[in-house]
This record gives sequence, C-alpha cells and structure tokens, in this order.
Amino acid sequence: AQSVTQLGSHVSVSEGALVLLRCNYSSSVPPYLFWYVQYPNQGLQLLLKYTTGATLVKGINGFEAEFKKSETSFHLTKPSAHMSDAAEYFCAVSSIGNQFYFGTGTSLTVIP
Amino acid sequence: DSGVTQTPKHLITATGQRVTLRCSPRSGDLSVYWYQQSLDQGLQFLIQYYNGEERAKGNILERFSAQQFPDLHSELNLSSLELGDSALYFCASSTRTSPDTQYFGPGTRLTVL
Repeated sequence: AQSVTQLGSHVSVSEGALVLLRCNYSSSVPPYLFWYVQYPNQGLQLLLKYTTGATLVKGINGFEAEFKKSETSFHLTKPSAHMSDAAEYFCAVSSIGNQFYFGTGTSLTVIP
Repeated sequence: DSGVTQTPKHLITATGQRVTLRCSPRSGDLSVYWYQQSLDQGLQFLIQYYNGEERAKGNILERFSAQQFPDLHSELNLSSLELGDSALYFCASSTRTSPDTQYFGPGTRLTVL
C-alpha cells in the first residue's frame, strides 16, 4: 500500500525567504515520487519527479526535492520565494504501473 | 499548457441528472486517468484506461463509468448525480515510454444543484 502525508496544509513565507514544503510517504515497493503545483482555477503542473538515480532532483521554477529513503521523505524546497510561487502544492507517490496517491496538498502563501 | 484538453470547462446541473465529461490526451499518449478533486476528499484517483482497456480502478462510485475510444479520447459518465458529486474532475495522460509521469488537463468543474 502507498500513501502520502503532507505536513502543514498552509505555509506562509516572506518573499525572498526559503520555501520548505514537507512530504512523507509510505510504500512497500521502491517509490516514484512527484511534486505538482496547482494555480487557482488550473490543472496540476508537474514540478519535479524522482524515479531512480540521483536523490536530489531539480525541477522547474527553481524548486528542488531530495529523496531520503531512511526518512521516507521527499521535501520540496526553493531558496528564495517569489510572489508567483503562491499556489497549492501536491506530493504524490506511485510505483511503475500503479496508480498515483496524492497528499492533501499544501497551500503556499508568499508575503510581500 | 500540458496538451491534455477537457470539455466542458464548467458544468451546472441538477440532482438526479446524468452528465458526460470529455478528455483528449496528449498526442500519442495511450493512458488516460480520471481524478476527482473536492474540498473534503482531496484529489482522488477514479479510473485508468490504457489503449481502450480499463487498467486500474480507484475510488469510483458505481454511478460513475468511463470509457476510452479508439481515437484515445475518454469520457467519464456521471449519473444519478448528488450534491456531493460537485467537484473538479481532472483527466491526465501518460506516455508508453514514460508511464511514471502524468500530465493533467485543466479540469471540468461540476456543480450539482
């Protein structure tokens, strides 16, 4: 069975500050991990993904995430928040051929 | 733009009615997934089709059904609608060579009155 827990349904950061969105997963098989972003009234856009290989994954818009097997975590970070980063962020887990399981989402607010 | 299209964008209907949501995957993508996003349930996987055949089933109600046609577009049929069916319905597609990544459409917002 697979599941995802996103800690913190709402996160607020100041513009220019570090963004840290937490995601912990549960998976009985090697996981594939994803971060998606959803802007208001839009669909989900893939930010980055981890399948195999390097555990530090870089995505679009300056975001990156690190797969830590020992901590079963895949936290999303960005060194400096921008106003345009305000959105809903979803972490998801799957394995090859299997369905996606999404977390409940984290709403990011960026304070000017 | 992900390349996945969904119609209609908005749909308002009454309880007890039936609606059909349509999805066209990205060119060449064989897999189509349907999701429901609601405030209380979050993003829930409903069903997956691969090249016309049902591949996986999630939390899909018996009142809901889907199919994928030979041209690979898919339709999600929702019947005997209830107030609680009001939600955003997303379609996603993935490629045969990269089945691990799903690309989402803009969604259909269904309001049941």
